[in-house]
Order: sequence, then C-alpha cells, then structure tokens
Amino acid sequence: NAGVTQTPKFQVLKTGQSMTLQCAQDMNHNSMYWYRQDPGMGLRLIYYSASEGTTDKGEVPNGYNVSRLNKREFSLRLESAAPSQTSVYFCASSEGFSNDEQYFGPGTRLTVT
Amino acid sequence: AQRVTQPEKLLSVFKGAPVELKCNYSYSGSPELFWYVQYSRQRLQLLLRHISRESIKGFTADLNKGETSFHLKKPFAQEEDSAMYYCALRKYNFNKFYFGSGTKLNVKP
Repeated sequence: NAGVTQTPKFQVLKTGQSMTLQCAQDMNHNSMYWYRQDPGMGLRLIYYSASEGTTDKGEVPNGYNVSRLNKREFSLRLESAAPSQTSVYFCASSEGFSNDEQYFGPGTRLTVT
Repeated sequence: AQRVTQPEKLLSVFKGAPVELKCNYSYSGSPELFWYVQYSRQRLQLLLRHISRESIKGFTADLNKGETSFHLKKPFAQEEDSAMYYCALRKYNFNKFYFGSGTKLNVKP
C-alpha cells in the first residue's frame, strides 16, 4: 500500500502559469482533502471532497479549483498562479466517518516567481 | 466560527523534563479534537484523538470543555519527541478539519 501519493514533489512556476497537482489514495477512502501549509499559519483547508462526486470549499479556496476524478484521485488546479500561492501543498484522505483519521501525502513544494 | 489556537510557535525542553503543548479552540458545538505530529522528513500523522482517551508514546491529552482546551502532555520528554505538533478540530459529523498553526517541540539532550 502506497497510501496517499502526490505528484510532483517540487514545482516552480512563473506568475500567470497554470498547473495541476495530482493526488491519489489506495485505501478506498471516501473523503479527500487539499491543504496548504505556510509558516506561522499551520495547515489551511483549500477544498475537500466528502465523497466521490462532491467537492466543497474550505477556508482558502480562492485561486484554486478541484476535481474528484474518481474515488481514488483528487486533483488541485491553479489556473493562474500568483506568488501568494507559494506554499507546501498536502493532500489527505480519510474514511469519512465520525472520529476517523486523516492520512497525509508527502507534500508538494510549489514556488511561484 | 471555529478556530484552533496554539500559542507557542517553539517549545524547547531538556530530555526528561515534562512537556505541555497548549491548544485552545473556539467552537460552539461538540468538537472532535486531535493531535497530529510531523517528524523530520516524515508525513504528518495522527498522534491521538480525544475520543480514544489513550496514551500514545507517553503523550496524553484531555479535552476540557469548560476551558475549551486540549493540551498535549508528557511527563518525561525524549529526544525523539522533537517534531512539529498540530492540534486539529473537527465539527461533529462534518468532514472539515481546522488545524492550529503548530508548535515546534525541541527536546535538548
């Protein structure tokens, strides 16, 4: 079991460029999440998908879009990258029931210049 | 609105000393509280959750609804406890998690 995988591990973009961060899980989890981690801010939820076919905004959704492609995959798209989106992005998944645990991916370090 | 506050960015203690990482939350409903830990070069992982009332790696945390706190404690810190610790809140029966800003614990030899 690979758990939660993310690609790419590192990315440098120029302002205005677009890109998609990929996330996949092999634990048959229902819920998937995208967070960004910034110094002094902790983890902030960007978007989440409670189950296949649904997506909802988190705390900081502006400038991002998501797609729950199937039960395994949940992608995050930056349509027009901005320097403020420089961050480490984490994908996570969980079974989706009460008191459940989130499993995190290794993270993607994104720099927007 | 719900919020999780970890007032200390960095906590340094000597090996064998007690450690307490503070976490306060604001939420009017019934919260579910968690502690997550990120060791160097490892993924963020669950340490413990309040509903389990268990001790993991010697750490315990008690939910105090009166003080809206969920502090993480360990009586004798070890060097391998050095890591980043995040307190997290989940609204009951919802799938959204709210994380604090994290506390870096440094246990000195």
